[in-house]
Amino acid sequence: AQSVAQPEDQVNVAEGNPLTVKCTYSVSGNPYLFWYVQYPNRGLQFLLKYITGDNLVKGSYGFEAEFNKSQTSFHLKKPSALVSDSALYFCAVMAYNFNKFYFGSGTKLNVKP
Amino acid sequence: GAGVSQSPRYKVAKRGQDVALRCDPISGHVSLFWYQQALGQGPEFLTYFQNEAQLDKSGLPSDRFFAERPEGSVSTLKIQRTQQEDSAVYLCAGEPSGGEGTGELFFGEGSRLTVL
Repeated sequence: AQSVAQPEDQVNVAEGNPLTVKCTYSVSGNPYLFWYVQYPNRGLQFLLKYITGDNLVKGSYGFEAEFNKSQTSFHLKKPSALVSDSALYFCAVMAYNFNKFYFGSGTKLNVKP
Repeated sequence: GAGVSQSPRYKVAKRGQDVALRCDPISGHVSLFWYQQALGQGPEFLTYFQNEAQLDKSGLPSDRFFAERPEGSVSTLKIQRTQQEDSAVYLCAGEPSGGEGTGELFFGEGSRLTVL
């Protein structure tokens, strides 16, 4: 069974500080992991993905995520947050047959000036 | 169009009414997905099309839900005899490839359904 957990409903960070949005997963087989972002009144947008290879993956808008197999985590990070990063972030795992995603419940990121 | 277009953006229905939600994906996108997003939750899978073929409908919550994509482009999600628990945002997403895809989905803005 595939599932994703985002333990924080909300993350607050000051502009310029580093940010982390947490995600843990449970999959059978190799994990295919994703981060999507949802801005207000906008559709979800792809940020980055891990399929194989380097554990640190880089994505759009300066975001990166680290795949940690032993901790079954895929935390989203950014070295210096911007107010414009404020949005709803979803972690997701793709099923082995590539036909469906399992999304977490989302984490609202608030970046204050 | 340049992106995924969904209509209507907002729909209010009385309990028991039938509704139809339309998705116009990016031209050429082989795969099309429907997701249901309840308030405060992540999107949940409903169904998947590869071209006109509905390959997976395991997420449809009941036989009141029906989806089609007859010509492999525009898709319609139909909900019959709507119930209050159907209130949610219905998201459509496309992907250029079929089968072993990239996982990089292009989402529409969603159709928000409110059942009174």
